[in-house]
Amino acid sequence: VQLVDSGGGLVQPGGSLRLSCAPSGFTFTTYWMCWVRQFPGGGLEWVATINTDGTQTSYVDSVNGRFTVSRDNAKNSLFLQMDSLRAEDTAIYYCTRGNNWAFDYWGRGTLVTVS
Amino acid sequence: QSVLTQPPSVSAAPGQKVTISCSGGSSNIGTHFVSWYQQLPGTAPKLLISEDNKRPSQISDRFSGSKSGTSATLAITGLQTGDEADYYCEAHDDSLNAAVFGGGTRLTVL
Repeated sequence: VQLVDSGGGLVQPGGSLRLSCAPSGFTFTTYWMCWVRQFPGGGLEWVATINTDGTQTSYVDSVNGRFTVSRDNAKNSLFLQMDSLRAEDTAIYYCTRGNNWAFDYWGRGTLVTVS
Repeated sequence: QSVLTQPPSVSAAPGQKVTISCSGGSSNIGTHFVSWYQQLPGTAPKLLISEDNKRPSQISDRFSGSKSGTSATLAITGLQTGDEADYYCEAHDDSLNAAVFGGGTRLTVL
C-alpha cells in the first residue's frame, strides 16, 4: 500500500490550493479515504472523509464550506480542494485510508503554508 | 485543548515497560474504538493499534492496547531506543461527529 500526496505550497490568505493523492497497492474503490492535517505545533486534526463512491462526504467544522473532498475512481485519485484559505490552515496534510474506524495507511504528507 | 487527554511526555529505560494513557468521555472512548499511532521524527504517523487492541500484522507484539470505560492505554514492553517517538490516540466522537485525536505523548528512552 502506498499513498503519494502532493499539491501543497505557499499561498496567500484567501487563496486556493488543490491537493492530490495517488494510491496504489490496494483496491481504491473499496475504501473510504480521508485527509488528516498536522499543525506546526504537532497536533493532529481529521479534516475530511469521503465514502467509496464519492456520494458521502464529511468535514471538520473549521473547514466545512471552504474545503471539498472528492475522488476519481476511474483514475485512482483523491483530491482536497481548499478555498478561502486562512493562516490557521497552515499544516502538513496527509492522505489516509480509512479502515475499521482507523487511519491504517498514511501518505508522506504535503505542506500547506498560508501567509 | 484536545478532546482526548494524553500526558505530554513519558520516559523509561531500555528494556523497561511504559504505559501511555488516553482519557476521553462517553461520546468518544466510551462508545467507539480507540486507535493508536506512532510518529517517528520526520515521518508520517503510522497505525499501531486499531479497535482498542488489534495490532496490524507488521507491528511488534511489544505494543498492546487496552480500554476501560472512557480511558485507553497503550503499553510498550522491552523498550528500545528506536521506540522514541510521539504517540497519539484517536477515536470517533459522536458529539462532534468527527474523529478526534489526543494531544500526543513524546516517549523518551533514557
